Amino acid sequence: KQEVTQIPAALSVPEGENLVLNCSFTDSAIYNLQWFRQDPGKGLTSLLLIQSSQREQTSGRLNASLDKSSGRSTLYIAASQPGDSATYLCAVDQTGANNLFFGTGTRLTVIP
Amino acid sequence: DGGITQSPKYLFRKEGQNVTLSCEQNLNHDAMYWYRQDPGQGLRLIYYSQIVNDFQKGDIAEGYSVSREKKESFPLTVTSAQKNPTAFYLCASKGRQLTNYGYTFGSGTRLTVV
Repeated sequence: KQEVTQIPAALSVPEGENLVLNCSFTDSAIYNLQWFRQDPGKGLTSLLLIQSSQREQTSGRLNASLDKSSGRSTLYIAASQPGDSATYLCAVDQTGANNLFFGTGTRLTVIP
Repeated sequence: DGGITQSPKYLFRKEGQNVTLSCEQNLNHDAMYWYRQDPGQGLRLIYYSQIVNDFQKGDIAEGYSVSREKKESFPLTVTSAQKNPTAFYLCASKGRQLTNYGYTFGSGTRLTVV
């Protein structure tokens, strides 16, 4: 069964710092990988989606990469801001599974 | 704007009571999903539906039931058989358009047993 791991579980950085969140998965037969943001008590907001044939996607200060063969994805956040404070979830859409497999998330705190 | 609407935002259930969580989408998505989120755990799939009048059990379907009579709606009933229903419930739909193959989530319903 697909297992998704996110490291670190929590991260605290000063405002303005660049940071990287890591996601690893055990089965490389994926359809795509999606990064989400979740604020406390709220639903999930999609940040970036990378198709299995792609290597990276960018949106504003966010850049996500995918190395399917090694089972890894990273989310790079440039020039972090206090408003970036949230939990970031990585989810893998596995081929034929009709399900998203989620990691337990990285809780990010950006200190002003 | 298109999206997923979940209601109510907060729901309280008494012991032995059935409650229904609403999920409506206007994205014209065929597939819809219900997930449960508990502190410290990843989201877990309860039920999913790929077309109207058809649905399948996910990993933790016991104590839950669903229906899919309309493309736009996928309500979840938490029955009295669910022994630990206190959790955050998220509804999602999946697009198959060229510009978006990803999942879209609603804002969630927090269910508490009183």
